[in-house]
Amino acid sequence: GDSVTQMEGPVTLSEEAFLTINCTYTATGYPSLFWYVQYPGEGLQLLLKATKADDKGSNKGFEATYRKETTSFHLEKGSVQVSDSAVYFCALASGGSYIPTFGRGTSLIVHP
Amino acid sequence: GAVVSQHPSWVICKSGTSVKIECRSLDFQATTMFWYRQFPKQSLMLMATSNEGSKATYEQGVEKDKFLINHASLTLSTLTVTSAHPEDSSFYICSAKGLTTHTDTQYFGPGTRLTVL
Repeated sequence: GDSVTQMEGPVTLSEEAFLTINCTYTATGYPSLFWYVQYPGEGLQLLLKATKADDKGSNKGFEATYRKETTSFHLEKGSVQVSDSAVYFCALASGGSYIPTFGRGTSLIVHP
Repeated sequence: GAVVSQHPSWVICKSGTSVKIECRSLDFQATTMFWYRQFPKQSLMLMATSNEGSKATYEQGVEKDKFLINHASLTLSTLTVTSAHPEDSSFYICSAKGLTTHTDTQYFGPGTRLTVL
């Protein structure tokens, strides 16, 4: 079945550091890929998505590129802020399904 | 647009009582709503999918008689945890999609933290 693997956290960075959160997936066919963000005490918000190979999703300075050859969708940001501290979930939806399969989440802590 | 609300945001109840959690789509009609459960530091586990006006479809291992789901209108779904026990304590999150939202995108509510004493 479909699965998503994320790097374990927490990831702890200083403000303005470069961020990478790794995500790899296993799926049949050509899934849509997503990154969701969950701020403390809140539900999930869609951060960005990509629907086909080589697509780049981007939002709020974050970006991720759909790499079919490596089955990856790594999240990057060039300069993180304290307000980016949250849990980030990688997810996929395949076969025309709108029900995503989530990774376990990666906690990001950004210090001033 | 595409805002989903949940009520209450947190609830504490005694063991053996029932708790109802509401999920509302505020600015769109939600033809399908989903209920998830999230344990501390873990991912979301899909519990059930509900379509307006029909019975919910439960995921394997989820007790339908314990977690009652009603999707009576296009803007409201409710999850009732019946005869709650401490092991039911968790963070419950709903999400919704509708005819006017992207087909592969769900919109999530802020979650409800349930603590059963």
